[in-house]
Amino acid sequence: TQLLEQSPQFLSIQEGENLTVYCNSSSVFSSLQWYRQEPGEGPVLLVTVVTGGEVKKLKRLTFQFGDARKDSSLHITAAQPGDTGLYLCAPNQGGKLIFGQGTELSVKP
Amino acid sequence: DAGITQSPRHKVTETGTPVTLRCHQTENHRYMYWYRQDPGHGLRLIHYSYGVKDTDKGEVSDGYSVSRSKTEDFLLTLESATSSQTSVYFCAISEIGGGNQPQHFGDGTRLSIL
Repeated sequence: TQLLEQSPQFLSIQEGENLTVYCNSSSVFSSLQWYRQEPGEGPVLLVTVVTGGEVKKLKRLTFQFGDARKDSSLHITAAQPGDTGLYLCAPNQGGKLIFGQGTELSVKP
Repeated sequence: DAGITQSPRHKVTETGTPVTLRCHQTENHRYMYWYRQDPGHGLRLIHYSYGVKDTDKGEVSDGYSVSRSKTEDFLLTLESATSSQTSVYFCAISEIGGGNQPQHFGDGTRLSIL
């Protein structure tokens, strides 16, 4: 059963554009983390959101946890080539993280 | 970077052979995890440990066993490797369990089973 869906799977944009990626589920989660992974490396934590409706900002990245705690979004403003990577959402289910398949972002100069 | 070392980084082996992957940490974190990452599946939890000699199964544990005899080392063994176990394996650590705490990942082991 697919509990978690990330969209889009692939995204290729030009430097300076804005973008949003989504993480959706029919399940309610107590918290959710976003990770970024570069080729040949392990994922690195970007943020943890805990409260429904919570918004967190990390420089040009804005993370939102849905009011019902079933979904989340990541918005990047004025994307740069250094933002290129695989973005993974990881909700907390029963004390363990479950990972989405990720959104592969490519930002071209 | 969190002090996590995975070894080997790359391995090619044949079907039916045993394979052991090692994860070594210098952070003295209590929790350690093994994941596999495959295209279209994201990261899936194989096994995890919540202390020395304390381990539990994850989502995809069949065909894998683990051992943790010291805080710093967590071993993943494929007792008789199959081609379906070709994957990239990641070890992660966290100070506290429960899913709200950050997990710090190693750089992965790319395993090919022919």
